[in-house]
Amino acid sequence: ETGVTQTPRHLVMGMTNKKSLKCEQHLGHNAMYWYKQSAKKPLELMFVYSLEERVENNSVPSRFSPECPNSSHLFLHLHTLQPEDSALYLCASSQSDRYNEQFFGPGTRLTVL
Amino acid sequence: AQKVTQAQTEISVVEKEDVTLDCVYETRDTTYYLFWYKQPPSGELVFLIRRNSFDEQNEISGRYSWNFQKSTSSFNFTITASQVVDSAVYFCALSEGELTGGGNKLTFGTGTQLKVEL
Repeated sequence: ETGVTQTPRHLVMGMTNKKSLKCEQHLGHNAMYWYKQSAKKPLELMFVYSLEERVENNSVPSRFSPECPNSSHLFLHLHTLQPEDSALYLCASSQSDRYNEQFFGPGTRLTVL
Repeated sequence: AQKVTQAQTEISVVEKEDVTLDCVYETRDTTYYLFWYKQPPSGELVFLIRRNSFDEQNEISGRYSWNFQKSTSSFNFTITASQVVDSAVYFCALSEGELTGGGNKLTFGTGTQLKVEL
């Protein structure tokens, strides 16, 4: 595997379900990111992890819970989501130095029923 | 606050036409970076270019070229002789610099949907 991978690519869940999104980067980076992309809206930064520590939580509801067990893996745990949470969730990674480009995964298309 | 504006929501061209995607940004920082990404229908954002605020030289990479004008706070992207495979959403982004603890924060525009038809 190369680059940034995300699983699953598609997920349909009910509002009472608990699910997790997984992201893995094979680029040797030490910062990882979760973004939400909704239709007609700019990409919204959700969380940033650098050296496995959370450095940014962009006012995200507690029904989204991130986890970064090591510098290569990032999870987004989901529980009791709302239909408005349906979106494309993108993971990215970069070197943690300033101004580095971020490399993105293909995203998980989430639908909440 | 940092802001990136991509006023063109959607552009349609015929193959082989040249097309320019506009990007205007706002920042109070004197040192910043600008980026362009391409998002094909598959969903993955593909990094195209990074430009720092001290380098106003235009850049060309194959059919792609970028024009950075600090005086007008613009970083426009031109595709020469467009092809159907260029059809995608293109995003311009501005770096707010390094976050405390590491990592950086990008402010994205709303994107321009480019459709290239035969």
